This record gives sequence, C-alpha cells and structure tokens, in this order.
Amino acid sequence: KNEVEQSPQNLTAQEGEFITINCSYSVGISALHWLQQHPGGGIVSLFMLSSGKKKHGRLIATINIQEKHSSLHITASHPRDSAVYICAVFEWGAGSYQLTFGKGTKLSVIP
Amino acid sequence: NAGVTQTPKFRVLKTGQSMTLLCAQDMNHEYMYWYRQDPGMGLRLIHYSVGEGTTAKGEVPDGYNVSRLKKQNFLLGLESAAPSQTSVYFCASSYSTWLAGNLDTQYFGPGTRLTVL
Repeated sequence: KNEVEQSPQNLTAQEGEFITINCSYSVGISALHWLQQHPGGGIVSLFMLSSGKKKHGRLIATINIQEKHSSLHITASHPRDSAVYICAVFEWGAGSYQLTFGKGTKLSVIP
Repeated sequence: NAGVTQTPKFRVLKTGQSMTLLCAQDMNHEYMYWYRQDPGMGLRLIHYSVGEGTTAKGEVPDGYNVSRLKKQNFLLGLESAAPSQTSVYFCASSYSTWLAGNLDTQYFGPGTRLTVL
C-alpha cells in the first residue's frame, strides 16, 4: 500500500503570504488529486494531475513523478483559504486500483 | 441544481441497529462513491458504482452494503451497526471514474455524521 505523507500537518500564515503544502508518496502512481475541506466539513475537488503543473486562480499544483512528490501553492493567501488540504494518490493497472488519501494539512490564514 | 445531497445529516444508532444513508445527485453522473472519514485516518473508499445497477468494493467494504437502483441515487446500508462504524460518511459523484485513470472532478456531498453507541 502506498504511504502518503503530507507536510506540514498544520500551517499558520499571514494574509498575503505565499503558501506551499507538500505531498510525498512511496510507490509510483498514475495520478494525484488535491482536495480542500472547509471548516464546516464540505469537500471540494481542486486539481487532478498526472504530470507537470496546473493552475486555477491563485492555486497552483505541481507534480514530479520521478521524485514521487507534489506541491500545492497558494499565492496571495486570504482568510477564506483557511481549510484542510488533502492529497490522494491513484494507482491502477490490470483491472485493479489503489486509492490512498493523505491525512491532510490544516491551513489557517490570519488577517 | 442541488449537486450532491446526503440524508440524514446526523444520526445516532445503538449497536446492532440498522440504517440506510441516501446519496442523491442531479448532475446525471455515471459514477458514485461512498467514503468514510475518521480522525487520524484520512478518507477511505467504502464502495463505489460505475453505473445504475452496478456496485464494487473499495478499501473498507466490510459491514456495509450498497445499492444503485436508480442512476441518481446511491444507498449505503449498515445491517448491524458497530461502534467502529462511528464516522463521517461522504458521498461523491463524477461524470467518469477517476478510478480508471480519467482525470475527472469528483463532487462531494456535505457528509453524514454517524455515531454508534
């Protein structure tokens, strides 16, 4: 089973700061997913990527398949970005799959 | 357009009781999923469905049954609840399945908080 580690576990930032959240995994994967869980519990899908980089607004996700590592960046952070950010990795082949979630990074952005 | 809805939002059961959680989506998605989320464990896939009338096991299927009689609904059943099933349950749906490598967004419901005493 893939081991998914996120760092840091907790992060406090001042509004406007550039934020980086990391996700590392132990076994080669087919794709990686970043999710955002709001303080109220709701979950939103942010990115799914299998290579390179994706950008949506102030959010940027990158993945390095060789290094088994992905980063989620938030530019010009805002208090509304406060949430838990979760990465999930997928492995599939020969009709089978593995899906493993990280435990999340709790981000607090202070005005 | 309500997206993905879950009922009930909260439920308390006694050990051995049964219940059904309902997930409904109005986006005409083929694929639906049930997850549980526990403190310190992260999300885990219980069961999923790739279309009306089909279901498959995920990572932690024991103690749960599912049915997908209608495309828009995915039911999760607990036949004999146990304290270990105390958790927050999330339903999700997608147009295509990310389990087979399609990079398609999943839409999540608001969750059901279940406590088994």
